[in-house]
Parts: sequence; structure tokens; C-alpha cells
Amino acid sequence: QKEVEQNSGPLSVPEGAIASLNCTYSDRGSQSFFWYRQYSGKSPELIMSIYSNGDKEDGRFTAQLNKASQYVSLLIRDSQPSDSATYLCAVLNFGNEKLTFGTGTRLTIIP
Amino acid sequence: DAGVIQSPRHEVTEMGQEVTLRCKPISGHNSLFWYRQTMMRGLELLIYFNNNVPIDDSGMPEDRFSAKMPNASFSTLKIQPSEPRDSAVYFCASSFEGGNQPQHFGDGTRLSIL
Repeated sequence: QKEVEQNSGPLSVPEGAIASLNCTYSDRGSQSFFWYRQYSGKSPELIMSIYSNGDKEDGRFTAQLNKASQYVSLLIRDSQPSDSATYLCAVLNFGNEKLTFGTGTRLTIIP
Repeated sequence: DAGVIQSPRHEVTEMGQEVTLRCKPISGHNSLFWYRQTMMRGLELLIYFNNNVPIDDSGMPEDRFSAKMPNASFSTLKIQPSEPRDSAVYFCASSFEGGNQPQHFGDGTRLSIL
């Protein structure tokens, strides 16, 4: 079983709609959760971090965390073509510095 | 502020040659990570350092790979001898020590072994 799982997509969303990206993780001791965006040919770029249950909003982005269900999600409101990228979920395990990445979800925003 | 700096950006070499990738972390960060990314395996952690000391090298694929961090502002990842299956994008990332600190990535080195 993979430690961090994401649907690889591709996920196609019309421009202006809400894009919903999901991630599950297996280690109940995980404490910190991050979403990275990676454009083709570029490096991963941190866009959101979340540490406690509930929602965290930053502009058009909302991260949601449910530790009981071991589930973290990213919502992108008013999707723009520039949001088209691969989104990587990353989980930091308690007691060490290692980030475990999911394989990423490829998102395409259709104009 | 300068981000994580990696060099070279691209490297093409023949199999059997030695390859050295370089990384300068963000000033003040004391944790440094080397990753490899391929289409098949995604983003894999190879090794990470804390305060210049290797903490976990369990992701290093084999003895052909080695990494050093002689000081807080420089690290190298070396492959000797290189093989075609080593072709990938290699990323370096750095962070402040501490469980909640995110990692910031360099632009990566695209390595092609012919």
C-alpha cells in the first residue's frame, strides 16, 4: 500500500469552476501536510500547508484536513488556465524530516 | 531572497562517466534533501542532511551514488559510473529544521545518460 495516494488524473475542469484534488495517507502519526504545484518541466512549488483539522484558505485555494479519515484535499475556486499543472500532496511524518509525496494529480483547466 | 540553487541545469553524458550535481541551499536552512523524479516512479527522496550530517540515505539506489555536504552552503550528489537508467530530473530542496517546516525546491538538474 502506498503511503500517500492521489488520483493521477488527468482531471479536467472548466474555467471558472471549482477544482477538487484529494489525497489519502496511511501513517496516522503524520503531522504536517503540504500541497505543491508543479508545472511541466519545472520544480515543485509550495502553495499550501496545513497542520490541524479543518479548512485553511489562501486566496482561491482552500486546503482541508481530516486526520480521523486520514484525508487531505485542495480546492481551487474560480479555476484559471494557469492552474493547469500537476498537484503533489506531501506528508511529513512525526519525528523526522522526511516528506512523503504522492504521485500527483494532473489538472487541466479547459477555457 | 535567493532560492535553492542547483547546477548544472542540464547534463548529457555517456554511460560510465562520472556525474556531479551541485546544490546551494537557502541561507539559514539547515536541512537539505536530494530527490530524483521520473515518470515511472515519481518524486523519490534519495538522501537528506541535517546540519551537514547525513541522516537518512536509505533512498540512495546503490553504491554508485554518493552525496556530501562539506558545509552549510554546499552539497554534491555524485554518480560514478553513470548508467542510462540514472536519467531523471534531480532536485535539491532545503528547509529549516523542525517538523512543520516546508521544503523549498531548486530548479533541478535534468540528467541524460546516453
